This record gives sequence, C-alpha cells and structure tokens, in this order.
Amino acid sequence: DVKVTQSSRYLVKRTGEKVFLECVQDMDHENMFWYRQDPGLGLRLIYFSYDVKMKEKGDIPEGYSVSREKKERFSLILESASTNQTSMYLCASSWAAEAFFGQGTRLTVV
Amino acid sequence: AQSVTQPDIHITVSEGASLELRCNYSYGATPYLFWYVQSPGQGLQLLLKYFSGDTLVQGIKGFEAEFKRSQSSFNLRKPSVHWSDAAEYFCAVGAGNNDMRFGAGTRLTVKP
Repeated sequence: DVKVTQSSRYLVKRTGEKVFLECVQDMDHENMFWYRQDPGLGLRLIYFSYDVKMKEKGDIPEGYSVSREKKERFSLILESASTNQTSMYLCASSWAAEAFFGQGTRLTVV
Repeated sequence: AQSVTQPDIHITVSEGASLELRCNYSYGATPYLFWYVQSPGQGLQLLLKYFSGDTLVQGIKGFEAEFKRSQSSFNLRKPSVHWSDAAEYFCAVGAGNNDMRFGAGTRLTVKP
C-alpha cells in the first residue's frame, strides 16, 4: 500500500513563527502536492512538485513556500504564520493521475 | 483551469435508502474524474475514478458513478446506504498528473 505520512496530526503555533509541515511518501512518486482544506471551500491547491527541486504554484501560494530536496519528502513552509492560516493541511503524492493522501495536519495559529 | 461544483453542501438520508451525490465539472478536454471520501479526522480515500472507456464505473464500498459528457456530470450513487457511510465526499477533476481540482464537498448524514 502507498503510504503518505505527515509528521504531525496537530500543531499549535504563534503568530509570526516560521512553521514547517513535513510530508514523506514511500512509493517513489514523482508528483507531490500540498492542499489546504477549509469548511465550505473543499481542498485548495497551495503548491505542487513534479520532481526534486521543482515546484509550481497552485491556487493559493501566498504566504507559503515549499522545499523538495529529496524525492520522497515535500515540505510546506509558512514563512510567518498568521491566524488566517489556521486550517487543515493535506499532503498527497500521485502516480498515473491518482492521488494518495496523508492523514492531514490540523494547524492552529494563535 | 478545470473546476468542480458540488451543489449539495449537506445531505441526510435514512439507512437503507439510496444515495446520489451530484458533481459537475468544467474542463475543455476529456477529464480524469474522481470521488474521494473523508471520515472525520482522516485523510481522503479514493472511492473510484474515471479515465476513459465505460462511463459507469464501480468503486469500493458498493459505490458507483456515471460519467455523462453531455451534462458535464459525474454523480456518485449507492443503492443502499449504511450508517458507516456517513462522511464527507469530494469530487475531483484532473488534467494530468500535476493538476487536480476538488469540489467543496458534500457532507452525508445517515439517519438510523
């Protein structure tokens, strides 16, 4: 089975902190994604990566950056956390257009 | 870019009743279409997918969906709902490996 692991299920951070959300997949997938999930808005794509060191902006990249130094790991970085970034963050990897999701990280910024 | 509309935010059905969740998409070419389910506090699990071929696709847990190009729809159905089906359901449209868009989701409540 494909496994996508997000390092934290719950995080609480302070406004202005730099926050790292980590995601690891074990199936050698080239494509990896970060989504943000909010009630009534579904999943919105923040960034995706189709290869090591490659990244593309999604629909809502402002306030976020990403890093992909190794194929299996895709990190989402909140440069200076703000309260409007309180949300559920979902990482996914994909192969043949099918996405596999991690369990999600619920981030609260206070 | 492609987009997805799920017109129903919340649906309540009785256990044993049939279910249909609606999904409409917008995309210029033949899309890849997906239905995912999310139980509380969990990630998303793939129920079924359509890439090409037979427009009626079968998925896990007794779900099926039908692709109707003329209506730009990909509705999810189940003939008899179980209490364990209570969850949130997401329709998604893909345009290749790198670009998938999700609908806002439909929350399903199952009455005993």
